[in-house]
Amino acid sequence: NAGVTQTPKFRVLKTGQSMTLLCAQDMNHEYMYWYRQDPGMGLRLIHYSVGEGTTAKGEVPDGYNVSRLKKQNFLLGLESAAPSQTSVYFCASSYGLNEQFFGPGTRLTVL
Amino acid sequence: AQSVTQLDSHVSVSEGTPVLLRCNYSSSYSPSLFWYVQHPNKGLQLLLKYTSAATLVKGINGFEAEFKKSETSFHLTKPSAHMSDAAEYFCVVRGRFSNYQLIWGAGTKLIIKP
Repeated sequence: NAGVTQTPKFRVLKTGQSMTLLCAQDMNHEYMYWYRQDPGMGLRLIHYSVGEGTTAKGEVPDGYNVSRLKKQNFLLGLESAAPSQTSVYFCASSYGLNEQFFGPGTRLTVL
Repeated sequence: AQSVTQLDSHVSVSEGTPVLLRCNYSSSYSPSLFWYVQHPNKGLQLLLKYTSAATLVKGINGFEAEFKKSETSFHLTKPSAHMSDAAEYFCVVRGRFSNYQLIWGAGTKLIIKP
């Protein structure tokens, strides 16, 4: 099992560009999450999904959109990137409210 | 609102000596608490969790944590540090009004001196 994988691992964008981060899990988990991690701060929840076709806002959803068209995939989109979105993004999945399993992260820089 | 405070941003210990990483939480109810570890350039891994059963919780790699309601603390300990323990450690509490939300502390970087 690969667990939780994230694509890409690194990305540099210019302000105003768009991009999509892909998260995939092979554990048949219903719940999936997107977090961002900034220096000196803990992880903050951006959006989450409790099942295929459903998404909900987390703590810091502004500037991001998500989609869960397939159970195993959870996409995070930035429509118009801003320097404030420079961060490390982590995807996670869980079986119900049990332990969350995390991907290796995507390091995004917005110039 | 719940919050988590990790009292030290960095902790440095010598290999073979005890480790203490301190965490305080604020909550008006008995929360679910977790410790996660992040090794350099790696994802996050659950070390242990407290969910209102035994107050002393044992985790992986010899770590344990004690839930003390009177002190609102959930400190992480290990009797003898190993070089492989060098990592960043996060104390986490589950949100009260949203079970899906984990509220994260800012992290403590553990440095192991040879």
